[in-house]
Amino acid sequence: NAGVTQTPKFRVLKTGQSMTLLCAQDMNHEYMYWYRQDPGMGLRLIHYSVGEGTTAKGEVPDGYNVSRLKKQNFLLGLESAAPSQTSVYFCASSRSGDTGELFFGEGSRLTVL
Amino acid sequence: AQSVTQLGSHVSVSEGALVLLRCNYSSSVPPYLFWYVQYPNQGLQLLLKYTSAATLVKGINGFEAEFKKSETSFHLTKPSAHMSDAAEYFCAVSLGGGNKLVFGAGTILRVKS
Repeated sequence: NAGVTQTPKFRVLKTGQSMTLLCAQDMNHEYMYWYRQDPGMGLRLIHYSVGEGTTAKGEVPDGYNVSRLKKQNFLLGLESAAPSQTSVYFCASSRSGDTGELFFGEGSRLTVL
Repeated sequence: AQSVTQLGSHVSVSEGALVLLRCNYSSSVPPYLFWYVQYPNQGLQLLLKYTSAATLVKGINGFEAEFKKSETSFHLTKPSAHMSDAAEYFCAVSLGGGNKLVFGAGTILRVKS
């Protein structure tokens, strides 16, 4: 009964380092999303995918890249981390594109020094 | 462009008292509206959604929300607060039902014993 699993849950980076956040879902959902959550700003969509092999930009895509090579996985990459990318990152998935019901992971807290 | 405004970043109520969390939206087309809840150190989960059917929507854990087009509002209520309701609540809107949700900044609900 895993649902949406994110790894790692915590990470500290130095400015300029790179890293990848992994999201895995076991619900056979077509759609997957990456959000960032910052105090007082709610959640903002970084990138999303409407199916295996597809990706699209969301509201705040700069500084991030994504890949969806397998249906169950959605990777978020930071090529050169900046302090402004300190945030809590949430992955979500949904069965289709028209229900509005997203299933979220527990979040990954990233600190960039 | 669509947006969501949540009035009050923090709301404090006594156990057993009415809970009222306010949400106003702006959308140029009929919106789909959602309330999500986030418990500490967890991802968001769907409380309820409005998709142009009944204007009074009932959700989980005794919460409900009423869509008022004339007021562009979708306020969340619960008649009697319980300690377990302490969490952060997010209102969200999407255009025509798509899953690219726009979230409000969130309201932290505190329940006093």
